[in-house]
Formats: sequence, structure tokens, C-alpha cells
Amino acid sequence: QSALTQPASVSGSPGQSITISCTGTTTDVGGYNYVSWYQQHPGKAPQVIIYDVSDRPSGISDRFSGSKSGNTASLTISGLQAEDEADYYCTSYTSSGTLAIFGGGTKLTVL
Amino acid sequence: EVQLVESGGGLVQPGGSLRLSCAASGFTFSSYSMKWVRQAPGKGLEWVSYITSSGSNMYYADSVKGRFTISRDNAKNSLYLQMSSLRAEDTAVYYCARKDSSGWHLDYWGRGTLVTVSS
Repeated sequence: QSALTQPASVSGSPGQSITISCTGTTTDVGGYNYVSWYQQHPGKAPQVIIYDVSDRPSGISDRFSGSKSGNTASLTISGLQAEDEADYYCTSYTSSGTLAIFGGGTKLTVL
Repeated sequence: EVQLVESGGGLVQPGGSLRLSCAASGFTFSSYSMKWVRQAPGKGLEWVSYITSSGSNMYYADSVKGRFTISRDNAKNSLYLQMSSLRAEDTAVYYCARKDSSGWHLDYWGRGTLVTVSS
């Protein structure tokens, strides 16, 4: 099964907003509200920042928000800060035998 | 405080075997499903394997099915990944992660252990 489709890179200036898309199919993103997003800084383990499409874990800034339309989920980061520069991965439950599928990752550069 | 600490990584020859361990603390290990996720150098995340809280059900990515075995010992608060017939493409940092009790996301991750498959 192919990975979920994310843009390889996005960039923005401090204070701006950016959106990262994550496109799947009806057997994963489009079929279930189990999309989550992870932030990973270089050399560190990933950290969940959005789960169940749009919920935020405690301690995660409300500058991070998630949404979904059809087979595409989106992560929006508002008020970009230098510390947001990282790799971002989406993942979804899938009805295939593997149960879970990741996106290829998006590198966010804060200009 | 929830902690997950992986160990057992290292250099292994192609075709060889290795057993990874993940020591869990700070939560009731037997109540949570667990996963292994890997990341090849400079690449993205790849889900490897998943085991339910009781250990009764296991799932694998197609890339490792038949070669890797996930298991757990709830009495020892430990998760394992037995890897055999290792290939160069299995070279990666292997993370253990806890699946949230109510959702499908991974709420805690270990720091990972590096597995290098090379002759």
C-alpha cells in the first residue's frame, strides 16, 4: 500500500500561516476520523500534535490545527515561529491489513 | 512519568538476526497496545508492527511480514521485536511507541535504537 501523499517541503515567514496537506483514499483518510499529525525535530523522536483529525493533546499550542475534507487531511500552523521548523508526518488508520499508514513527511522551513 | 527505552540495536550482517527490547515505565503497561515504528537514515517514518495490550493480536507491515515477530511480557513491562533475515533496507532507527488508550495515535515514543545491516 502506498504512503499518504504530503508535499515534500513548505516554507513560511515568522508570523505567517502555512498548511500541509495529506491525501489518501477512502480506505484510510477518507474513511475514518483517525488522522494524526507528528512533529519531528532533527535527531529527536516524533511527537503527536494533532489526533483524531483535529484534537490537540494537552500542552500543544493552539497555533496548530487540523481538518479533513474528503480524502485529504490538513495541518495548519498559524503565527509561525522559528521553533516550528521541523518535519511533519501525517498518519491514518487504514482498513488494509497493516492498520496504519504514514505520509512521506513534509519539511517545514521558517524563513 | 511515562518512559519508553529501547535497546538491542547494533551492527548485524545481512541475513542475520537481532532482538530489540523496549522497557516501559510510568504507566500500566498491560493496558496499552504498543507499536514499533522505524525511520531509515534521512527518510520518513514507517510503521513496522503492532501488538494489542494482551498480546493476543499482532500485525505487521508487508515489508517485514514473515521476518519480524513482535511480542510483549506484561509482567516485565517490556516490548520486543525479533528481527531475522535482515536486509540492508532494514537499516533504521527503531522506535517503540504507545498507542493511546482511546484513539489510534501514538502518544508516547522512545528515543529509538539504531539497527545497521551491513557486511
